[in-house]
Amino acid sequence: AQSVAQPEDQVNVAEGNPLTVKCTYSVSGNPYLFWYVQYPNRGLQFLLKYITGDNLVKGSYGFEAEFNKSQTSFHLKKPSALVSDSALYFCAVRAAGTYKYIFGTGTRLKVLA
Amino acid sequence: DGGITQSPKYLFRKEGQNVTLSCEQNLNHDAMYWYRQDPGQGLRLIYYSQIVNDFQKGDIVEGYSVSREKKESFPLTVTSAQKNPTAFYLCASRAQGEGTTDTQYFGPGTRLTVL
Repeated sequence: AQSVAQPEDQVNVAEGNPLTVKCTYSVSGNPYLFWYVQYPNRGLQFLLKYITGDNLVKGSYGFEAEFNKSQTSFHLKKPSALVSDSALYFCAVRAAGTYKYIFGTGTRLKVLA
Repeated sequence: DGGITQSPKYLFRKEGQNVTLSCEQNLNHDAMYWYRQDPGQGLRLIYYSQIVNDFQKGDIVEGYSVSREKKESFPLTVTSAQKNPTAFYLCASRAQGEGTTDTQYFGPGTRLTVL
């Protein structure tokens, strides 16, 4: 069965410091991996995805993520956090050949000024 | 929020009442999805549709129904059989086929509250 784990409910980081939001997954076959961000009372906004190719993917607003097949992880990173990055972040996976996306429970990122 | 609209933004339902949430997309996407979001539980799939006049059950279908009569529209009806419908409902769509981006795009959501 497919699953996604976001082990941290909340991550606090000081503005200007690097940030990491963790995601691990379990899927049969090749994974398609995604990160989304959600601001209060809004829909999810796409940040980045890994389908194939380079393990380091770059996305919107300076975010990047690294696909690690051996550790089945897809952690979201940013070199220098902004207060405006404070939001709820979701990791999602879809197995190749399927139509269903599995979402993690979300990690609330709080960037402190 | 792309080219997906959801209405209304806020919806209040009385006990025993059926309500319908609208989802429309102008992205020419084949696939559409409905999710329910509760605090601390992430997104749970209710129904999804890959093509017109076809849809599949997700993980939580009791008390929900959908239709897909047009490519651009995928309305969700919350019936009185859904015992705890208070939640934030999100619609999404995705292009399918070779050369597509495989990315889901989400609408702004509808917050449903049972009075």
